[in-house]
Amino acid sequence: QKEVEQNSGPLSVPEGAIASLNCTYSDRGSQSFFWYRQYSGKSPELIMFIYSNGDKEDGRFTAQLNKASQYVSLLIRDSQPSDSATYLCAVGLSGYSTLTFGKGTMLLVSP
Amino acid sequence: NAGVMQNPRHLVRRRGQEARLRCSPMKGHSHVYWYRQLPEEGLKFMVYLQKENIIDESGMPKERFSAEFPKEGPSILRIQQVVRGDSAAYFCASSPSQSGNSPLHFGNGTRLTVT
Repeated sequence: QKEVEQNSGPLSVPEGAIASLNCTYSDRGSQSFFWYRQYSGKSPELIMFIYSNGDKEDGRFTAQLNKASQYVSLLIRDSQPSDSATYLCAVGLSGYSTLTFGKGTMLLVSP
Repeated sequence: NAGVMQNPRHLVRRRGQEARLRCSPMKGHSHVYWYRQLPEEGLKFMVYLQKENIIDESGMPKERFSAEFPKEGPSILRIQQVVRGDSAAYFCASSPSQSGNSPLHFGNGTRLTVT
């Protein structure tokens, strides 16, 4: 049974701070890792993906992957109120495109 | 609009009726996935299809639910004899390949309400 775990939150940070969102997964065969953002009542929107151990940066977002610890995280620098949303971690197996999603972490950025 | 198109956006059905949800993948994408999201819950995988083939239906309830992706036209998720527990947001996603490295692109979803 593939499982993806996230703290439900809410994670509250002040505007301008760094928000750190975490995710653990159970299947050691997992090879691809995605972060989606979902505003209330809207569809999931892809933010970042990472396949290799280490860090991957894209603008204010940094994804971090540690396969040995089965852990992936998303850092949001200079958090803005518009970043307030639920962040979904998704994990996939090599050669298999169906993704398993965590329940998401709600992020609240206060002005 | 080159994105994943789902319709209807909102669907209200009475218990016992049938619900039909439609999804047209992004242009150039031949892989379609259906996910269900209950309130306060994450996205749960239901079924993965390619044109005319069901690849993985491990997340589909055994009864009342079916899906197809015909050679021509959109993918259809069909729920027969709906019950209140079927009320949820149903999202369709598409990808260009089966590779695990292909991100899924989601449509706007269909919000099904069973009264």
